Formats: sequence, C-alpha cells, structure tokens
Amino acid sequence: GEQVEQRPPHLSVREGDSAVIICTYTDPNSYYFFWYKQEPGAGLQLLMKVFSSTEINEGQGFTVLLNKKDKQLSLNLTAAHPGDSAVYFCAVTGTGGYKVVFGSGTRLLVSP
Amino acid sequence: EAAVTQSPRNKVAVTGGKVTLSCNQTNNHNNMYWYRQDTGHGLRLIHYSYGAGSTEKGDIPDGYKASRPSQENFSLILELATPSQTSVYFCASGGTGPSQNTLYFGAGTRLSVL
Repeated sequence: GEQVEQRPPHLSVREGDSAVIICTYTDPNSYYFFWYKQEPGAGLQLLMKVFSSTEINEGQGFTVLLNKKDKQLSLNLTAAHPGDSAVYFCAVTGTGGYKVVFGSGTRLLVSP
Repeated sequence: EAAVTQSPRNKVAVTGGKVTLSCNQTNNHNNMYWYRQDTGHGLRLIHYSYGAGSTEKGDIPDGYKASRPSQENFSLILELATPSQTSVYFCASGGTGPSQNTLYFGAGTRLSVL
C-alpha cells in the first residue's frame, strides 16, 4: 500500500527565513495531496489540497510543489513568522479511495 | 466550517478497564475516522465508517472496537485498555464526491492508561 515519508522531523528557522518540508510517496496513482497544520493542543487543520493535475499551488505565505516524476510533495514557507510554528503533516490518497495516508509530521519552530 | 467534537478531551484509565471515546460531527458527512497519533508514527488509522451502522478496520484495529449508531456519532471502544494504548486519539469526518478525501478533525483526546 501507499507509504509516505516526510522529512525533516524537526526544523528550526529564524523569522523571515524560508522553510521547506518534503514528502515522498510510493503509489504513482496517488491523486490527492494535502498539507495539514497542527497547532499545540489542537486537531489538524487543512492548509492546502492539491490535485495531481496541478504542480504548483500558492497559498498565503507558502507554496506547494508536486513533482509527480519523483513522487514528491513539498511545502515551502517563503518568509516564516512565529505564528507558523506548528507540526505540519502531508497526506496522500488515491482516486476514489477513502484512505488518507499521513506522513510522520514535521515540527517547525520559527524564532523571532 | 465543518465541526467535529470529541469527548472527553483528557482521560486517565486503568489497565484492563473499558474506555469509550466519543465523536460527534455536525457536517452531515458520511465518512468518519479514528486515528491515533504517536511521536514518530504520524497518524495511524484505527477504524473508519462509511455511514450509520457501518464500521471497517483500518491499519491498526487490534484492541479497538468502533460503533457508528448514527450519521453524527462515531465511538471508539477499548474493551480492555493497555498501557500501549496511551496516545492522542483524533476523530475526523469526510464528505463524499470530490471532497471525500478532505478530512476535518476534532481537537483530540489524550488518553493515559496506567
């Protein structure tokens, strides 16, 4: 079945720096890709949902890149600020499937 | 905004005791899920449901049962709790069609089994 490897497990950057988190998945038929953000003591909140047909997606302060050839999904925070400090999870699923497979998470700390 | 509510938020149980974790969603989603979150493992799927009356085994179902008595409610049951089940448990709901894979999570239940 689908496996998702996420790295790094921990990431510490200064305010204004960029931060990159990468996930590598195994199933070439994967179709939906997600980034979730988890703040302390809270559940996961959807940051962005990406379809396999779109390789670059931009949100507020971040960019998601999908490299289907290498089966990689990345989250790039362009100018991190302390409010971005959280645990980030990628998730992957296939067409019509119920099962969402999560990466192991990246704990991001942004210091002033 | 989708709303998923878990109760209790914190629970301390004794080994061998019965524990029931409850989840309620108000989004009228068909699909509901129970995950556990442990350091280094991310989220692992325990049980899920396609609708009222249905429960399916996820990746790590051993030691857990699930119950879906209605569209809104999905419970996770530990009949004989063990210390290895100490974890944070998350319930999620998801719709059908193009949105079915987008999950909406509750705030989690922190369970300690002593």
